[in-house]
Amino acid sequence: SQTIHQWPATLVQPVGSPLSLECTVEGTSNPNLYWYRQAAGRGLQLLFYSVGIGQISSEVPQNLSASRPQDRQFILSSKKLLLSDSGFYLCAWTYLNYGYTFGSGTRLTVV
Amino acid sequence: AQSVTQLGSHVSVSEGALVLLRCNYSSSVPPYLFWYVQYPNQGLQLLLKYTTGATLVKGINGFEAEFKKSETSFHLTKPSAHMSDAAEYFCAVSDRRRDDKIIFGKGTRLHILP
Repeated sequence: SQTIHQWPATLVQPVGSPLSLECTVEGTSNPNLYWYRQAAGRGLQLLFYSVGIGQISSEVPQNLSASRPQDRQFILSSKKLLLSDSGFYLCAWTYLNYGYTFGSGTRLTVV
Repeated sequence: AQSVTQLGSHVSVSEGALVLLRCNYSSSVPPYLFWYVQYPNQGLQLLLKYTTGATLVKGINGFEAEFKKSETSFHLTKPSAHMSDAAEYFCAVSDRRRDDKIIFGKGTRLHILP
């Protein structure tokens, strides 16, 4: 069966520090992968999506970047965090658009 | 472009009462439609989905939704609310292309009154 792993679960980082969040998928090949952010009181904002290794599409210009070094690995990064980067980050995968499977999320607090 | 509108950011129902969460979508092609549930500090869990075929879709935890093309709606219902149903619910739409994104509504927080 397919599973998705996302870590860490919580993270507190100072302003200006780097960020690396990792997501891996098991049990499937060539999935579409997505990073979403959920800010307090707001819906889900799509940040990046990828349909294959090295293929990244950015939805919102911002302080973040994404990479897909392997088929089932998706990384969200920042060189210097801002206060506005705080939020709940969710990784998801899908295949043939039959619905997303989400990871358990990372609660990022930038202080 | 696709979009989803969820009517009511907060809905309160009494335990045992009918749950109705409203969702309207906009799509230029026949859509795939989804409902997700999110419990505090957790990821989203798929409740049900409509792709093709029967327009009344049954999901987990006693929820169901009906795809009404003429009304561009996909409302979520449950006959009898339970305290454990308190959560945030998201309606979502995609247009069936393999690399397309799923667009989410802003969510409806469901409160269950004892």
